[in-house]
Amino acid sequence: EAQVTQNPRYLITVTGKKLTVTCSQNMNHEYMSWYRQDPGLGLRQIYYSMNVEVTDKGDVPEGYKVSRKEKRNFPLILESPSPNQTSLYFCASSYNSGAYEQYFGPGTRLTVT
Amino acid sequence: KNEVEQSPQNLTAQEGEFITINCSYSVGISALHWLQQHPGGGIVSLFMLSSGKKKHGRLIATINIQEKHSSLHITASHPRDSAVYICAVFYGGATNKLIFGTGTLLAVQP
Repeated sequence: EAQVTQNPRYLITVTGKKLTVTCSQNMNHEYMSWYRQDPGLGLRQIYYSMNVEVTDKGDVPEGYKVSRKEKRNFPLILESPSPNQTSLYFCASSYNSGAYEQYFGPGTRLTVT
Repeated sequence: KNEVEQSPQNLTAQEGEFITINCSYSVGISALHWLQQHPGGGIVSLFMLSSGKKKHGRLIATINIQEKHSSLHITASHPRDSAVYICAVFYGGATNKLIFGTGTLLAVQP
C-alpha cells in the first residue's frame, strides 16, 4: 500500500530537549516536504527536498533542520524546541514537485511545554 | 494578505445542496491543488489542476488561469462531505514551494 508514515503521532516534550520526527514514503517519490498547521494560519511549508541531499527552506524554516540521506526518509529535527513550535506537523511526498499529487502522512501533534 | 485567498471561510449547507468553494491567487502558477481534511486531521488530495476542469464522483474542480481563480463544487452534498477544504498553489520555476489557503470549513447537515 502506497503511504507516507510519520512517527511519533503524538509528542509532549519540554523546552530545549532535542527531538526528531521521522517521515518515510514507499512510493519512490523525489519530492518530500514538511508542513506545520496552526489555527487561523493554515498549512505552512517548513522545508522541502527535491531529491537525495537536496533540501531548501520553505516559508517558516527557523528552528528546524532536515536531512535527506535516503530517498524514502526525510526526518524533521528540532534542535532546541520552544513553545511556539507547538503545532500539528505533516510530512508529504510527491513524484517530482509541487506540480504533482501530494501524499500526506497522518500528522504529528507536538506540544512543547 | 495571504497569497491564496479562499471563500467562504465557513459554510453550512443542508444535505443535497450544491456547494461552491472559491480560491483566488495573486500571480501565475504551475498547478493548483484541492485538499480535504476531515476532523481528526488526515489530509487527502482531491484534485491537481493546471487548466480546465476535472470531475471525480460528486466533486468538480475548475480553474481559470486568466482570472487566477479556481472553484471546487460538490453536487448533492452529504454529511460525510463535512470537512475542511484547502486550496494550495505551486508556482514552479525557481520556487518549488506550495502556498496554502487557510481552508474552508464545510458542515453539511442532514
